[in-house]
Amino acid sequence: DAKTTQPTSMDCAEGRAANLPCNHSTISGNEYVYWYRQIHSQGPQYIIHGLKNNETNEMASLIITEDRKSSTLILPHATLRDTAVYYCIVRVEWEDTGNQFYFGTGTSLTVIP
Amino acid sequence: NAGVTQTPKFRVLKTGQSMTLLCAQDMNHEYMYWYRQDPGMGLRLIHYSVGEGTTAKGEVPDGYNVSRLKKQNFLLGLESAAPSQTSVYFCASSWMPSGRENEQFFGPGTRLTVL
Repeated sequence: DAKTTQPTSMDCAEGRAANLPCNHSTISGNEYVYWYRQIHSQGPQYIIHGLKNNETNEMASLIITEDRKSSTLILPHATLRDTAVYYCIVRVEWEDTGNQFYFGTGTSLTVIP
Repeated sequence: NAGVTQTPKFRVLKTGQSMTLLCAQDMNHEYMYWYRQDPGMGLRLIHYSVGEGTTAKGEVPDGYNVSRLKKQNFLLGLESAAPSQTSVYFCASSWMPSGRENEQFFGPGTRLTVL
């Protein structure tokens, strides 16, 4: 069963905020939400992650609902270079100190001039 | 720093052939991972390693073997390739299991086609 669900595709006008939603209704209390993006089939690149609180860095903001069942990645001023596939990921901890990323199917974001 | 590198970038195999994909990282990371990505899907974990000399199965391990003889290298082997193993393979590494340090750094990928 998929741990995250995302819309298949979205468009955003250049310079506007891009809001990418993700549902993770079965997430457990100690499981983090990560966002990565993949440009032109290159290796995925880290964007941001969070557990309970909202997070912001130089690239984006992450808004996590209070019940943690969904989150939104916000790119505040989208540029053409932000056109990519964005993956919402749940990080599951194993008992033996390992962990695993469960990738969603991704949202293909197209930034339109 | 080169980061995470993968060899080769492209490969075409015939069914039943074997090959080894090499992943190397120069960041002194403890954790290394092998993923596969099929069209229209996210990445799925094949095998991972939490340190030199250790390996473990991920989500889709069947048909693959791995070895971590040196900390900086993680090898993925296909003993008898099948068309279902046609995919793009990504290697990743990370430092620690929690916090920002768990950011996984990905290689550029290996595109494998099995005929």
